[in-house]
Amino acid sequence: EPEVTQTPSHQVTQMGQEVILRCVPISNHLYFYWYRQILGQKVEFLVSFYNNEISEKSEIFDDQFSVERPDGSNFTLKIRSTKLEDSAMYFCASPSTRKTEAFFGQGTRLTVV
Amino acid sequence: RKEVEQDPGPFNVPEGATVAFNCTYSNSASQSFFWYRQDCRKEPKLLMSVYSSGNEDGRFTAQLNRASQYISLLIRDSKLSDSATYLCVVYNTNAGKSTFGDGTTLTVKP
Repeated sequence: EPEVTQTPSHQVTQMGQEVILRCVPISNHLYFYWYRQILGQKVEFLVSFYNNEISEKSEIFDDQFSVERPDGSNFTLKIRSTKLEDSAMYFCASPSTRKTEAFFGQGTRLTVV
Repeated sequence: RKEVEQDPGPFNVPEGATVAFNCTYSNSASQSFFWYRQDCRKEPKLLMSVYSSGNEDGRFTAQLNRASQYISLLIRDSKLSDSATYLCVVYNTNAGKSTFGDGTTLTVKP
C-alpha cells in the first residue's frame, strides 16, 4: 500500500502557541487532504490542496489554519494560536490518481494544554 | 440530516457470525463510495470500494443502491481481528472532498 508519512506522531503545545504538522504524501502526488478527528468523534474534512493551492476547505478551516508546500515533497498544516478544542488527531491523506479513495498517514496527535 | 449516516452500533457478535452494516447518504451527486476500517487510535485504512454491481473481497461484500442512496457492508464468518470501527465514506467530485460517516463499531468475541 502506498505510504504517507506524518511527523511528529505526537505534539503537546500550550494554548496560544503555533504548531506546524508535517506530511510527506505519496511520491509525485499533487493533490492531498488534511482531516482531523477529535477523540471519540468522526473524521472531519479540513482542506484539500492541489498544485500549491487550496482546492476546497470546510467551515472548520478558519483563519487560524493554513497549509503550505514549503518544498517539493513536504506539506504542512499550521495552526496559529492553538485552542484547547484543537486537540485532536490530524491526518494527512493522499488520494489515488482518480482523486477518490485516499491513503492516510499515521496521524499526528495534537494535545493543547 | 447528516450527509452520511451509519448504523449507530455498537455491534457485538460471536466469532463466525455474519454481520451487516448500513449507510445512507443525502447528496445524490455523490459519485464514489468506500468502506474504511479504523482501529483504535490509528488512521483509517481503505477496506474496499463500493460499486453498483456489488463487489466481494473474501469474506466482505459491499453493495450500493444509488436509487435509495444506500450502501451496505456484509462480513461473513467474522474473526476476532475484524473488531474495529467501520467507516462509510462518500466522495463528491464536485465538492472535491470525502465525507465520513460517524462509524459503526464492531466487536467480535470468542
